[in-house]
Parts: sequence; C-alpha cells; structure tokens
Amino acid sequence: SSELTQGPAVSVALGQTVRITCQGDSLRNFDASWYQQKPGQAPILVIFGGTSRASGIPDRFSASRSGITASLTIIGTQAEDEADYFCNSRDSSGNHVVFGGGTRLTVL
Amino acid sequence: VQLVESGGGVIQPGGSRRLSCAASGFTFKKYTIHWVRQAPEKGLEWISLINGQGGTSYADSVRGRFTISRDSRKDSVYLQMNSLRTEDSALYYCSKEHYTGWPNLDSWGQGTLVTVAS
Repeated sequence: SSELTQGPAVSVALGQTVRITCQGDSLRNFDASWYQQKPGQAPILVIFGGTSRASGIPDRFSASRSGITASLTIIGTQAEDEADYFCNSRDSSGNHVVFGGGTRLTVL
Repeated sequence: VQLVESGGGVIQPGGSRRLSCAASGFTFKKYTIHWVRQAPEKGLEWISLINGQGGTSYADSVRGRFTISRDSRKDSVYLQMNSLRTEDSALYYCSKEHYTGWPNLDSWGQGTLVTVAS
C-alpha cells in the first residue's frame, strides 16, 4: 500500500498530552516525518527520520514508531500548537513520497 | 534558505502552465527539490521531485502530464504542467530536502496558486 492514514481530528486540554498517529505499510521499512501547518502558512518540519526534532522545535514534541504506526506526541500542549499535522514517508517502492491526510489538533 | 514560487494563475481545462521555484541560501546543486500541492481545505499531496543529478520521480496523478526540471545556473526548479484538469487546482509549494535526505522536507516556499477553470 502507498497510503498513510491519519485520524482527521483530535483535541487536547491546554497543558495536557496528545498523541497523533499515522499508519501505513511503508512505515515498516521507512521512517516517518511530521509537519505542522497553521492556517495560511506553509508547513514546517517538526520531526525527521522518525524521531529527530527539527531545528527550533520545542522538546515537548517527540515521535516514535511501533510496527506500521508512527506517532507524534506533544507533552504539555500549548495554545500555539493548535494546527494541522501531517506525516509523510516514502511509499512502499521507496521511489515516491506519500503524505497522510492530516490531523487537526484543537487545544481546548 | 529561501524558496520562491511563481507562475500560478487561472488556466482553462486542457491548458498548460509552467511554475518556477527560485532557490537561494544553500548549495542548490546538492539538494533534491520537491513539488507538493494542497487543494483548498485539503491535505498535502506530493507531486514530483528532482535530485541534484536530474533524476526525477512523479506521483501517479500527474505522471505523463507534468515535467519537473532544474537549471543550476539559475538555482531554479520548474514544473511544466500540461493537460490541466480542474482537480489540479491547488496551492503549489516547492520544498527542499533536509540534509538527511528526502522525504524530510525542511524548507518550503509560500506557494503559488493554480486554478483550473473555464
């Protein structure tokens, strides 16, 4: 399969922990990356290589993988974390890129 | 690092358009550049990539209609779009791979809007 599946939306209370998941067969062989996109803005890289935080990303963001499911976790979620989050990876062939459908995070 | 897209506009179905992505602030020839699009209120869709040696890859949705190219003299990447369809309407971003390689995309332009409509 060349698809990555994300839940459409998740909400979290301010200061609490939230996990966003991304599932796909290609994740068995390839790492996921994670992007944050706020309204009217281009995406920014949050996590690369499965678990590494990109430059300037707060350490409340972390990521992991179990089997074919990659997860982005935010501990102590802040209001400014409210955004759409997308995962991506290579597809099963390794020759193309595939994005998940995105998860909208609402901070209550 | 800066990526600036241009060339978007309103195009009739079946028409053609060339998008440009001007890069600066990094050693252009070393990095793979990608095009990613986003239809209004929709998710991100990867379209194409071109590596430093000119190797290319395309999504199934555009293969045979779109052609990616690069000009190292101008530090620019282009996306020639032919046989445009209404479903190609989107904001088109160019992005640069992270130093660890793709699909990690660490820099993005602000996008250029393509609207395919009669």
